[in-house]
Amino acid sequence: DGGITQSPKYLFRKEGQNVTLSCEQNLNHDAMYWYRQDPGQGLRLIYYSQIVNDFQKGDIAEGYSVSREKKESFPLTVTSAQKNPTAFYLCASSNPDELAKNIQYFGAGTRLSVL
Amino acid sequence: DQQVKQNSPSLSVQEGRISILNCDYTNSMFDYFLWYKKYPAEGPTFLISISSIKDKNEDGRFTVFLNKSAKHLSLHIVPSQPGDSAVYFCAASKGSNYKLTFGKGTLLTVNP
Repeated sequence: DGGITQSPKYLFRKEGQNVTLSCEQNLNHDAMYWYRQDPGQGLRLIYYSQIVNDFQKGDIAEGYSVSREKKESFPLTVTSAQKNPTAFYLCASSNPDELAKNIQYFGAGTRLSVL
Repeated sequence: DQQVKQNSPSLSVQEGRISILNCDYTNSMFDYFLWYKKYPAEGPTFLISISSIKDKNEDGRFTVFLNKSAKHLSLHIVPSQPGDSAVYFCAASKGSNYKLTFGKGTLLTVNP
């Protein structure tokens, strides 16, 4: 069945280490997104991609990088430059229509912690 | 600058009664609004949405009302069920912009 798969569910990062979070979708959606959620906070946009080989910074892109080489995949790398990486990371996808209805569908999330 | 605000961090209601969750926004360019439901350690799931050309949208037990002049929307759940207990996020978008702006969420607890 169709959906968005994020892996791993839990991830631990050592100081100075880069880690990559996986996001795969089989919904044939053009657009994909990465959000970060901190306790008591809403979802904040890190990066988004409207189409393959193109992506834009969101509101909190510093310390993160992405790639979009395939339509179904949008991995997020948390670099050592991100000084406060502990959070719940959510990937989403959508197919905005001509009426600008942008219903985004989410994966189950990855919880990243710093050792 | 928080453009979408959910001023009640939590709400508690009895099973069978109505739950009303509120959301205010400041950006008059927003023209599409969504509600998501989220359980702990899971991703949000889409509940219901409304376009700015409407003032009400209904889907089963869920109804969203939009008051553009007040820049306010609300989600009504009738009747409330214990399984509705979750965090509810309000989100908004404008035009062809792909970005959604989320509120901080309201934790709804429905007591049996």
